[in-house]
Amino acid sequence: QQQVKQSPQSLIVQKGGISIINCAYENTAFDYFPWYQQFPGKGPALLIAIRPDVSEKKEGRFTISFNKSAKQFSLHIMDSQPGDSATYFCAARDYKLSFGAGTTVTVRA
Amino acid sequence: DTGVSQDPRHKITKRGQNVTFRCDPISEHNRLYWYRQTLGQGPEFLTYFQNEAQLEKSRLLSDRFSAERPKGSFSTLEIQRTEQGDSAMYLCASSFGQPSYEQYFGPGTRLTVT
Repeated sequence: QQQVKQSPQSLIVQKGGISIINCAYENTAFDYFPWYQQFPGKGPALLIAIRPDVSEKKEGRFTISFNKSAKQFSLHIMDSQPGDSATYFCAARDYKLSFGAGTTVTVRA
Repeated sequence: DTGVSQDPRHKITKRGQNVTFRCDPISEHNRLYWYRQTLGQGPEFLTYFQNEAQLEKSRLLSDRFSAERPKGSFSTLEIQRTEQGDSAMYLCASSFGQPSYEQYFGPGTRLTVT
């Protein structure tokens, strides 16, 4: 039973465009919501994270939007670059991380 | 390099053999986690340690799996009598503090059971 649902499974965006990935959860005990970026053959790398008392967090071209009442959060990648082509995972923490199934992002030059 | 390291990076074994993986966390990180990731899926939690104490084990961790963290430093994950279904990437992560939010992952060990 997947505790974090992630969509879409994959997306293609043009260079300079915006990538949007959505996640939803049910467990209200989750207290921290990170996003990880993973390249083939590598471990996940922490990208950006948010606490549930904040509605938005921005770091460079990456923004998390968080809607506590809807139990949803999303990642926006602005000005997408070919180097952003990777798989992105949302996650939610109680004492461990529960991950979504991942979104493969392809940025076309 | 001060990140999480894992050894070996790749392991091919025959069904029924035992394998052991090692994880070295970031220095001074008191929590260490093991996850398993199959192709096309997100990592799934297996177990975690706070210092040398194993505090939680997922139901995914059958009795063929055992993990240790002697002296609260590096950790080992052993799989006995491997099965083809054990083929996956085994990821280690570590974190520090209480609460320990940020988990930093190693490069993983890719296990292939033939």
